[in-house]
Amino acid sequence: ETGVTQTPRHLVMGMTNKKSLKCEQHLGHNAMYWYKQSAKKPLELMFVYSLEERVENNSVPSRFSPECPNSSHLFLHLHTLQPEDSALYLCASSQEPDRPNSPLHFGNGTRLTVT
Amino acid sequence: AQTVTQSQPEMSVQEAETVTLSCTYDTSENNYYLFWYKQPPSRQMILVIRQEAYKQQNATENRFSVNFQKAAKSFSLKISDSQLGDTAMYFCAFTSSGDKLTFGTGTRLAVRP
Repeated sequence: ETGVTQTPRHLVMGMTNKKSLKCEQHLGHNAMYWYKQSAKKPLELMFVYSLEERVENNSVPSRFSPECPNSSHLFLHLHTLQPEDSALYLCASSQEPDRPNSPLHFGNGTRLTVT
Repeated sequence: AQTVTQSQPEMSVQEAETVTLSCTYDTSENNYYLFWYKQPPSRQMILVIRQEAYKQQNATENRFSVNFQKAAKSFSLKISDSQLGDTAMYFCAFTSSGDKLTFGTGTRLAVRP
C-alpha cells in the first residue's frame, strides 16, 4: 500500500542541524499522526492533527515542531536534537481521529540517527 | 490509564504450522476496540485484524484469528498455516472512545522455512 508516503527513509543529523520529515497521505483522510518508535518500547504518540488543527501534543519537547499545512501533508521539523531522539518516526493517517474503530494507515517511517 | 502487555518478545514457528501471540490489557472501560498490527521489515505497520469488545464472536481474517477473552482481558492472535511473509513484528493495540491508541511492546515473529 502506498497510501501514506514518508521521506526521507533514512536521516543522519548532528545535534546542531535543522531538518524536516515529510509525510503525505493519498487516502482522503482527515487526521494525521506522528509516532516515535524506539526499540523495546511501545509506540509513542507525539502529535495528532484533525482537519489541519493540532488536537494532541503529548508533552513532546519543543525541539520537535509539527506542521500541517493541509489535510494531506504533515511535517516534523527537527532542531537541536539529542542522541536519545534517534528512533523510527512513523506517520499515520485515519478517516476520523475521534472514532476508535477508524484504523490507522502508516507510512514506512523515517529512521533518524542523531550523532 | 490503559496498558497493553505483550509478554513474548520473540517467537518462532515452522512454515505451515500454527502460532499464537499473546496480548493482555488493562482497562476499566466496558466498550473498546482491540487491534493487531503487523510491521514487516519494510517498516510499514499494517492492520491485521480488529475486535470490538461488545461483540462476543471472535474476529477472523483468512489465516488470522483472535481469541478474545473479555473477562480475562486477553486478546491473542492465532496465525494458521504460517507463511514466510508472516515474518514481522506484531503489535497489539487498544483504544476506547475518545482515547488515543495504546500499543504493546511487540512480538517479533520468525517463520522458519
